[in-house]
Amino acid sequence: DVKVTQSSRYLVKRTGEKVFLECVQDMDHENMFWYRQDPGLGLRLIYFSYDVKMKEKGDIPEGYSVSREKKERFSLILESASTNQTSMYLCASSYGLGWAAGNTIYFGEGSWLTVV
Amino acid sequence: GIQVEQSPPDLILQEGANSTLRCNFSDSVNNLQWFHQNPWGQLINLFYIPSGTKQNGRLSATTVATERYSLLYISSSQTTDSGVYFCAVEQNNAGKSTFGDGTTLTVKP
Repeated sequence: DVKVTQSSRYLVKRTGEKVFLECVQDMDHENMFWYRQDPGLGLRLIYFSYDVKMKEKGDIPEGYSVSREKKERFSLILESASTNQTSMYLCASSYGLGWAAGNTIYFGEGSWLTVV
Repeated sequence: GIQVEQSPPDLILQEGANSTLRCNFSDSVNNLQWFHQNPWGQLINLFYIPSGTKQNGRLSATTVATERYSLLYISSSQTTDSGVYFCAVEQNNAGKSTFGDGTTLTVKP
């Protein structure tokens, strides 16, 4: 089975701290994604990456950066955390660019970040 | 950008009841998927269905791409069906997806 592992399930950070959220997938997937989920707003795409060292902005990239130095690992970075970044963050991966039959996207279990 | 609207936002059922969840989208799409998020946050793909009808056990889905909507049917609901159901679309195979706000389903025993 595909496994997408997010390093931290629950985090509490202070305003202004630098925060790293790590994600690792074990299926040699090319695409990796970071989403943010807030109540009533569904999932919103922050950044995605279709190859090592490549990244593309999603719908809400402001205040975030990403790093993909290895194919299996995709990191989300909050350079200076703010209270409005309190949310659940979901990492995902898929094989190939774009969706297609059989190209399922797999999600991690989520990281609940609280910024105080 | 494309808008994805799901209805109803909340649904409460007795175990054994049937339900229909709807997803409307504002523009043509290449791809559409339905997901279920369990109460612990795990999201699982249910269907990849850009058009046509698919069935998997008690769940089935239909997408009418020309009319820009998709339906998810749940028959003989069980308490384990509880959670949030998301519809998500992709327009141009470029990796960017847009999710609806979800339908929160509660199935009572």
